[in-house]
Amino acid sequence: KAGVTQTPRYLIKTRGQQVTLSCSPISGHRSVSWYQQTPGQGLQFLFEYFSETQRNKGNFPGRFSGRQFSNSRSEMNVSTLELGDSALYLCASSFLLGEGSPLHFGNGTRLTVT
Amino acid sequence: SQQGEEDPQALSIQEGENATMNCSYKTSINNLQWYRQNSGRGLVHLILIRSNEREKHSGRLRVTLDTSKKSSSLLITASRAADTASYFCATDTGGYQKVTFGTGTKLQVIP
Repeated sequence: KAGVTQTPRYLIKTRGQQVTLSCSPISGHRSVSWYQQTPGQGLQFLFEYFSETQRNKGNFPGRFSGRQFSNSRSEMNVSTLELGDSALYLCASSFLLGEGSPLHFGNGTRLTVT
Repeated sequence: SQQGEEDPQALSIQEGENATMNCSYKTSINNLQWYRQNSGRGLVHLILIRSNEREKHSGRLRVTLDTSKKSSSLLITASRAADTASYFCATDTGGYQKVTFGTGTKLQVIP
């Protein structure tokens, strides 16, 4: 069974630009969560999607958005990039979120904003 | 904000020794999970313990949970160099709540 796939692996962008990150979950997993990981703030929850619906959202500005497609693949978008958005963005899929179902993580997208 | 705080922040031990990491959290939970992260990679699920359980074992891992103290510990016995990684606790408050991660413990096992 293929794991969670995130693309691209690395990304360098300039302040003010926007970026789209992609995540393909494990086959059969309908829940996709996104996390931002930085040395200073640790792992911060961004949002979670289940069957194309956003069920939960973390404390991030509206510049951070996401969506999920009918095949459970998910994308997250960050507009008007700031230097502080530099981070490792991790996607995780699970069969059901909030039911003790383990999260399966991809290897992340390393975003650098210059 | 972090639900869990882990202690110690960093731990360095010799191969063969045991490693203990602690996690404290703030609100009532349905279950608590432990994850491992190798440098620059995604997290890997290690073990889950439900709120009505006190102890759980998986191979060289032993997890305890004390809901009265809102704390958990992860013990890795007979550590190996390959155990070098960061370890995170994650709390699940149930329903459609987000899983919240602790600050992590960075473990170094010296061969």
